[in-house]
Order: sequence, then structure tokens, then C-alpha cells
Amino acid sequence: EVQLVESGGGLVKPGGSLRLSCVVSGFTFSSYSMNWVRQTPGKGLEWVSSISRSSISRSSSYKFYAESVKGRFNISRDNAKNSLFLQMNSLRAEDTAVYYCARVGSCSGGTCSYVDYWGQGTLVTVSS
Amino acid sequence: QSVLTQPPSASGTPGQRVTISCSGSSSNIGSNTVNWYQHLPGTTPKLLIYSNNLRPSGVPDRFSGSKSGTSASLAISGLQSEDEANYYCAVWDDGLNGPGVFGGGTKLTVL
Repeated sequence: EVQLVESGGGLVKPGGSLRLSCVVSGFTFSSYSMNWVRQTPGKGLEWVSSISRSSISRSSSYKFYAESVKGRFNISRDNAKNSLFLQMNSLRAEDTAVYYCARVGSCSGGTCSYVDYWGQGTLVTVSS
Repeated sequence: QSVLTQPPSASGTPGQRVTISCSGSSSNIGSNTVNWYQHLPGTTPKLLIYSNNLRPSGVPDRFSGSKSGTSASLAISGLQSEDEANYYCAVWDDGLNGPGVFGGGTKLTVL
């Protein structure tokens, strides 16, 4: 059974930092790209960041960020520990949201990409 | 404001067919596949449609998706009360398997 379990959320003051973690099980973590997606209170889903799967030819992964978090957030992964991370710095009130860890599935031949599994989410509240 | 444009609300009566649109551009919908999610408050989003028109196992065939150019649609036929939820279209860069974008979401009300 595929499982994704986030942790690390909480209350933090504006300008502060927080590190989210996501431990996965039930699939070969290193073979999948992973995302962080958030939902702000009363608003919709927002893609935050992606990290590509590892490959034999490359030791590092590609990383992508939404413009709203670029330069402040850093996504990383530890394949040996089946873990995904999101380091969030210089937090703002508008970063308040439930943050979901999500697995990116793909069609054969890489002709499509989509999030197929989600964690339960962890709440981040940025407030003084 | 989301890159993908959805109507904020939609409604229908039980048994009716409703459609939800998603409008984008050549850089997102026009060059990648479209996915649809159902999201109920307090729960995890559920994948309804992937790769424009494919249903994961367990999703009823009442749900269908289509794409044309830079727009996509989700159709729900035989509307049921449990279909009342928020629906989101989403696109990921199929080539990079990376950057994604969501629509603003459509709140579906079953009257």
C-alpha cells in the first residue's frame, strides 16, 4: 500500500523557517518525481515545488519552484531514507496553508504526468 | 489568479449532466496532458481523470474528460449528491515530469 506521511508543520512567526518532511512507503521512492502542493485557507490548490527522480546517469535531481516561493523554499530528497523535504525560509503570512506531499505518476513512455498519491497534509501557520 | 481558468461555481440537479471547463494556453494545456481532481474539505484530493480522458481504476464512468487545443473539460453525468465537491484541473510538464499548475477550482453544488 502506497503511503505518504508528512510532518513538521506548525506555527511560525513571519520571517521564520520551517522544515517539512514526508516519509513514504509502498513503492520505490527513487523511481518517482515528487511534489509539494499546498491549499491556502478558503482557496484552491497551488503547486509549490517538484523534484525529479534519480537516475543512473545523474547524481542530482532537477528542482522546480513556483514563482511565489522561489528563492525562499528548497526541496530535497533522501532516497536511502525514503524521504522528501521542504525547507521553508523567510516565511510570510500568505504561506499559511496545508502542505501536501504528492507522488508524480506517469504514463508509459513518459507521455503524461499527474499526481496519483497524496499525503494527508501538514498545516503551516505563519502568524505573529 | 490561476494560470488555468475555471468557473468558480457550477450546479445541477440529481441525474443531470454538468460540465466544468478549464482554459489555458499553448505553454500548459496546449503542450501537456490535463488531469482532474475532486477535493472535499478535510480530505485528500482524489484523481478523477489523467492524460486528458483516462480514468484510474475505481472512478465511475460517469466522469469523463476531454481536451481540445488549449482548453479541457470535465463532464459528470447522472449527477449524484456525493458529487458535491471542489474540482480542479491540473497540468504538469510531461517532458520534465516537474513543474505543475492548477486551475482555480470549481465548486460544484448538487441542488
